[in-house]
Amino acid sequence: GESVGLHLPTLSVQEGDNSIINCAYSNSASDYFIWYKQESGKGPQFIIDIRSNMDKRQGQRVTVLLNKTVKHLSLQIAATQPGDSAVYFCAVTTDSWGKLQFGAGTQVVVTP
Amino acid sequence: EPEVTQTPSHQVTQMGQEVILRCVPISNHLYFYWYRQILGQKVEFLVSFYNNEISEKSEIFDDQFSVERPDGSNFTLKIRSTKLEDSAMYFCASSGIRDRGNQPQHFGDGTRLSIL
Repeated sequence: GESVGLHLPTLSVQEGDNSIINCAYSNSASDYFIWYKQESGKGPQFIIDIRSNMDKRQGQRVTVLLNKTVKHLSLQIAATQPGDSAVYFCAVTTDSWGKLQFGAGTQVVVTP
Repeated sequence: EPEVTQTPSHQVTQMGQEVILRCVPISNHLYFYWYRQILGQKVEFLVSFYNNEISEKSEIFDDQFSVERPDGSNFTLKIRSTKLEDSAMYFCASSGIRDRGNQPQHFGDGTRLSIL
């Protein structure tokens, strides 16, 4: 079955610095990848997605990189702000019905 | 911005009782999902629903679980006879304005289900 894992459970970053959150997946048939942000007491909030035919996608202050060779996904947050403090999940799917398999989550803590 | 809404935010139920969790997905979406998150664990897929039928379900989604879209706006998850291990946060999600291809799933803020 799919194994989706995150390399670091907690990431502490200084305000204004860039953050990088990593995710590994095991199923080479995975074809759609999403990053979610979850704040306390809230549901997962969509940040950015990428399909397997792409290596990189940029949004507002966020960039997702996909390396299919090593089955690795990363989320880069530029100029991290206190409002970026949250748990970040990667999620992957291999089927067209969209069943998502989530990683364990990385807690990002932004310090002043 | 359109959002997925879930009610109630917290449900406390005695073991063995039936519970219905309610969701209003984003109005023009075609795909609907339920996930759950046991405290301290990963978000887990339960079921997906498309064109008024279940398209996929996990091994967690046994005969005690059912889903329904009784009208054009609501999407419900029913647990017939709750067990202690059903205690979790249950998330509804919806996606898809197109019939094919993966599209971002948007989640509600969840219902915390506590079984006593």
